[in-house]
Formats: sequence, structure tokens, C-alpha cells
Amino acid sequence: NAGVTQTPKFQVLKTGQSMTLQCAQDMNHEYMSWYRQDPGMGLRLIHYSVGAGITDQGEVPNGYNVSRSTTEDFPLRLLSAAPSQTSVYFCASSSLAGTSTDTQYFGPGTRLTVL
Amino acid sequence: KQEVTQIPAALSVPEGENLVLNCSFTDSAIYNLQWFRQDPGKGLTSLLLIQSSQREQTSGRLNASLDKSSGRSTLYIAASQPGDSATYLCAVRQGGSQAGTALIFGKGTTLSVSS
Repeated sequence: NAGVTQTPKFQVLKTGQSMTLQCAQDMNHEYMSWYRQDPGMGLRLIHYSVGAGITDQGEVPNGYNVSRSTTEDFPLRLLSAAPSQTSVYFCASSSLAGTSTDTQYFGPGTRLTVL
Repeated sequence: KQEVTQIPAALSVPEGENLVLNCSFTDSAIYNLQWFRQDPGKGLTSLLLIQSSQREQTSGRLNASLDKSSGRSTLYIAASQPGDSATYLCAVRQGGSQAGTALIFGKGTTLSVSS
């Protein structure tokens, strides 16, 4: 049971490049989400999904796309990277809200620098 | 809009002290509240989750309380150790529709325990 895994751990991009951050979980969780963490701003929700084929926007979705074709995977795509997207990105998963005991599990993060 | 505040932002204590970290939230309609620990450059580790119907949870030297009506939670750490040095994050999960399944984070309290 690996929990939540993220790849890559580190990435440097040039402005305008695109890339995909990978996230996978092996706990059969319905709910998956992406956060970014910036100094002084805390963690902010980018996108989330409540199941395969269902995604929605969070607080800061601009410049990012997501899709959820399987329960296990929830990739985050940067369409045209900008320096403002320099951040640490965390993927999280949990059982679906409605059971108040569900705990959110976080991946180790991806550190992205956009030059 | 839910807002989560953590006070103090930073705290330094000598080893062995008991300490309290505070978390407040503006909307009492929460599903649960979760305390996380984050070590520098690492991901988030869940410490305790308190359901909306509960008053407290305990794990080892940690005790978390929840007063939903006043919008407050505290994390009590007994007999602090240098290994407790980390940033502690409080997060609430909203109740209601599936759109409210995201965690809303405070900005954290950075704890330093000296030996």
C-alpha cells in the first residue's frame, strides 16, 4: 500500500512550456484533489474530483487542467507555465465526504520552478 | 467564505514544556477538523481528525479539542521534544454538498523545541 504518490519530485520549466504532474493513489478513494502551497499563502485548492469522470474547480484553477479517467489517477496539467506557478504542489485523496471520519492523505509534493 | 486562522504563527519552547496551538474558523458548519504536521520540505502528515460531533481526540502526547459553536480548536502537546519541531496546520472540511468537500487550511504554526 503506497498511499498517495506524486511524480516528479522536482521540475524546472521555462515560461510557456507545458507539463503534467502525476498523482496516483492505491486506497480506492473517490475524492482526489490538488493544492498548491506558497509562502505566506498557505495551501490553496486548485481542482478536485469526486470520482472518475467528475472534476471541478477550486479556489485557484486558472492555468491548470485536470481529468479523472480512473479512480487511481488524477493528473494536473499546466498548459503554458508562468513564473506565478512556481510553487509546491500537493495531491491528496480521501474517501468521499459524507462519512465524517474520512482522513485526507497527502502525497510528498512536487516542487516546480518556472523561469 | 470559510476562513481559518492559526495563532501564534511561530512558537519557541524549551524541551519538556506543555503547549497549546490555536485554530479558529469563521463558519461552524464543518464536517470535521484535521490537524497536520509538516516537516521542512516534506508533505503533510495527518495527526488527528475530529468529527463535527466530537469534542476531542487523543493520540499519544497529542490532544485536539473542538468547540464548533465558538469556531475553535486547540492542539495540546504534552512534554514537548525537539522531534516535535515542525509546522502544524489546522484544516476544516465543510459540510453540505459535494462541492464543499475540500479542506480549508490555516497558515500554520511553526514550532521550535530546543533541547
